[in-house]
Amino acid sequence: GAVVSQHPSRVICKSGTSVKIECRSLDFQATTMFWYRQFPKQSLMLMATSNEGSKATYEQGVEKDKFLINHASLTLSTLTVTSAHPEDSSFYICSARDITPGKGASYEQYFGPGTRLTVT
Amino acid sequence: QKEVEQDPGPLSVPEGAIVSLNCTYSNSAFQYFMWYRQYSRKGPELLMYTYSSGNKEDGRFTAQVDKSSKYISLFIRDSQPSDSATYLCAMSEILIQGAQKLVFGQGTRLTINP
Repeated sequence: GAVVSQHPSRVICKSGTSVKIECRSLDFQATTMFWYRQFPKQSLMLMATSNEGSKATYEQGVEKDKFLINHASLTLSTLTVTSAHPEDSSFYICSARDITPGKGASYEQYFGPGTRLTVT
Repeated sequence: QKEVEQDPGPLSVPEGAIVSLNCTYSNSAFQYFMWYRQYSRKGPELLMYTYSSGNKEDGRFTAQVDKSSKYISLFIRDSQPSDSATYLCAMSEILIQGAQKLVFGQGTRLTINP
């Protein structure tokens, strides 16, 4: 099946610093990747939709200048949390769609294993 | 009111029991309905998918969608300890272009006791 990886799996940073999280589709191409945030015992909340070669679309309430998204290739999207604060501590998960003709129905998103960010 | 409501549990049942997980929703435009399983500190994995109303069966899992009641269910037969996880329902509208945005329920934490 389609595999999505994330790096790093865990990161601890100091308040005020920036952190970059990578999301890669390992064996398929993805024009669209999604970034979610999940707080403990809560559901996944969509933060933004990342489209290869164009600007990301952010959900209401998500600061685009704080959460910078770059989708430079069909296999890589990055999320940078700028000037991180303790309230940004969360589990960040990406997902991707397989655009290969004949593969992957339009509904299906493959999720990465997540990145746990702790801001001290 | 949330677009998708799901009882967070926790739900604990003995091994071999039939498990029923449910979600309700308010957006009548939702057409795609999914169930994801998420183990602790992992990303969700797709279990079942249903388009519009109806039932779908895959091994021990059965997904049901009742659009008239805006209610979806996931049944797990002959539950196993390895089924212990958080189960998330997710749904989306049909979009003319681009990938559908998924709206997730809160997730139900399920424990199957040996």
